[in-house]
Amino acid sequence: EAQVTQNPRYLITVTGKKLTVTCSQNMNHEYMSWYRQDPGLGLRQIYYSMNVEVTDKGDVPEGYKVSRKEKRNFPLILESPSPNQTSLYFCASSFSGANEQFFGPGTRLTVL
Amino acid sequence: RKEVEQDPGPFNVPEGATVAFNCTYSNSASQSFFWYRQDCRKEPKLLMSVYSSGNEDGRFTAQLNRASQYISLLIRDSKLSDSATYLCVVNEDSNYQLIWGAGTKLIIKP
Repeated sequence: EAQVTQNPRYLITVTGKKLTVTCSQNMNHEYMSWYRQDPGLGLRQIYYSMNVEVTDKGDVPEGYKVSRKEKRNFPLILESPSPNQTSLYFCASSFSGANEQFFGPGTRLTVL
Repeated sequence: RKEVEQDPGPFNVPEGATVAFNCTYSNSASQSFFWYRQDCRKEPKLLMSVYSSGNEDGRFTAQLNRASQYISLLIRDSKLSDSATYLCVVNEDSNYQLIWGAGTKLIIKP
């Protein structure tokens, strides 16, 4: 089944404790991206990647890191999480930025 | 700053009615336009792409107005299952960054 998977789906952590949210797609998509969604603000792009080893900042990259060592995986790293990073996070993939985005189920992160 | 604006709603509409909402974008260089649907706490899913000539899929019609820089979505004969948040997204082919609207919430009432 073609899909985008994210793990974990729910995470409660404390300020400063490094965490990684994994994202994997099995559709051989070149484009992948990470979003956060907050009430009233909609989806905001954190980082995106057009291909392996190519990443670019989106609208809200501060406090986040990503890597794209393999085509299928695009992990999101929070080196030192803070409460303002409490949000719903979505990973998405597509053939390009101009095509349909396929989203993972979301990761609900709470930073205390 | 590039922006995409939507009326957040909610639009409360009786079942069977026709409803339309718009999305304005600030960057005249934008090339690709889409409408996504998002159910509560779920991931967004593509509803339809918006072409220069417009696009129709069953009860749904999307239009692009480049002169006034907005896209529209029309839903005819609305169903209870159409209740959701509708997100518009705009893309500049030059940098592949996607700009999303905050969404319009639609509630269809029996």
